[in-house]
Amino acid sequence: DAGVTQSPTHLIKTRGQHVTLRCSPISGHKSVSWYQQVLGQGPQFIFQYYEKEERGRGNFPDRFSARQFPNYSSELNVNALLLGDSALYLCASNPPSWYQETQYFGPGTRLLVL
Amino acid sequence: QKEVEQDPGPLSVPEGAIVSLNCTYSNSAFQYFMWYRQYSRKGPELLMYTYSSGNKEDGRFTAQVDKSSKYISLFIRDSQPSDSATYLCAMTSDTGNQFYFGTGTSLTVIP
Repeated sequence: DAGVTQSPTHLIKTRGQHVTLRCSPISGHKSVSWYQQVLGQGPQFIFQYYEKEERGRGNFPDRFSARQFPNYSSELNVNALLLGDSALYLCASNPPSWYQETQYFGPGTRLLVL
Repeated sequence: QKEVEQDPGPLSVPEGAIVSLNCTYSNSAFQYFMWYRQYSRKGPELLMYTYSSGNKEDGRFTAQVDKSSKYISLFIRDSQPSDSATYLCAMTSDTGNQFYFGTGTSLTVIP
């Protein structure tokens, strides 16, 4: 049974470019959350999606957007990249009964903006 | 004031020691509390998940929640070198729409 998968694993971009990160949740999970983890800090919540609808949004600029597809996979898009966007981007798969078992994280995508 | 405060350490202990990791929080709406372990350059791995106040034990790990003090702890007994990692506390309210993380505590267990 596959866990949470994310692609790509590493990415290097330059300032001003656009990036798309992808996530596939655990089979049977219909909700995903995206987090940004800057080196030395804890993950910061960006978005939560459930059944293709946005359920929550953290304090991130409009350059960050996301969507969820009918198969429950998700994309995180970041426009006009800044140096400060360099981070580990984590996707979490949220189980149906999240109050009985909590979210599970993927390995992350490490983004470096030069 | 941050929603969740966690001492970043670093914490260094000898093998076999008891480790105590702690977080404080300010939002009384938080009901679900988690501890994750994160190895360098990897995604967080769930260790413990508790609801409301009380204790939960799983092998060498014990999680404690004191909602009256807004304080949670993770104890690691008989610590092993393989426990060397960053430990993150996290919490959320009844809606579960947004999870809040501490900054993480870096732990090194010396053989």
